[in-house]
Amino acid sequence: GENVEQHPSTLSVQEGDSAVIKCTYSDSASNYFPWYKQELGKRPQLIIDIRSNVGEKKDQRIAVTLNKTAKHFSLHITETQPEDSAVYFCAASITGTASKLTFGTGTRLQVTL
Amino acid sequence: ETGVTQSPTHLIKTRGQQVTLRCSSQSGHNTVSWYQQALGQGPQFIFQYYREEENGRGNFPPRFSGLQFPNYSSELNVNALELDDSALYLCASSLQGPGGNTIYFGEGSWLTVV
Repeated sequence: GENVEQHPSTLSVQEGDSAVIKCTYSDSASNYFPWYKQELGKRPQLIIDIRSNVGEKKDQRIAVTLNKTAKHFSLHITETQPEDSAVYFCAASITGTASKLTFGTGTRLQVTL
Repeated sequence: ETGVTQSPTHLIKTRGQQVTLRCSSQSGHNTVSWYQQALGQGPQFIFQYYREEENGRGNFPPRFSGLQFPNYSSELNVNALELDDSALYLCASSLQGPGGNTIYFGEGSWLTVV
């Protein structure tokens, strides 16, 4: 089955700096890669996703890149703000079975003033 | 708001008991999946229901079972509760079809087994 590794497990940045979280996946058939943000005690919220026919996708301060050959994808947050502090999860699945997500282990992002 | 609602939000059960968690999917969504999220970990896929039938299962024992109803709502049942079943149980709904299926999570049900 699919295996998703995520790094780093914790990340501390100063407000205004950029943050990068990286994930690798094992199943070359995976073609849908969402990212979720989870605040303490709350549900995971979808913040951005990318499909394998696209190499990069951007939404305001958030961008995701995908390298299918290397089987890795990354989340980039620019101009970080304190409200970006949360746990971020990457995930992978196969289109058509996309609710069967395999999640990474999470990255705790702390944005300091 | 995702339109996915779960109940109850919190509950405490004793080891060996049984629990039923409920989920109403987002309007128009025909697929429901359930995830278990233990403290400090990522969500783990339990199973998925499509057209009232189980359509994929993760690495969970048979004492985890479910149902999907004609209105696409769903239940997760766990028998013979163990302490390790303490977790946040997340329901997610999606529309299965061409083009991929973005999924949205409900707020979850916090289960504590004592």
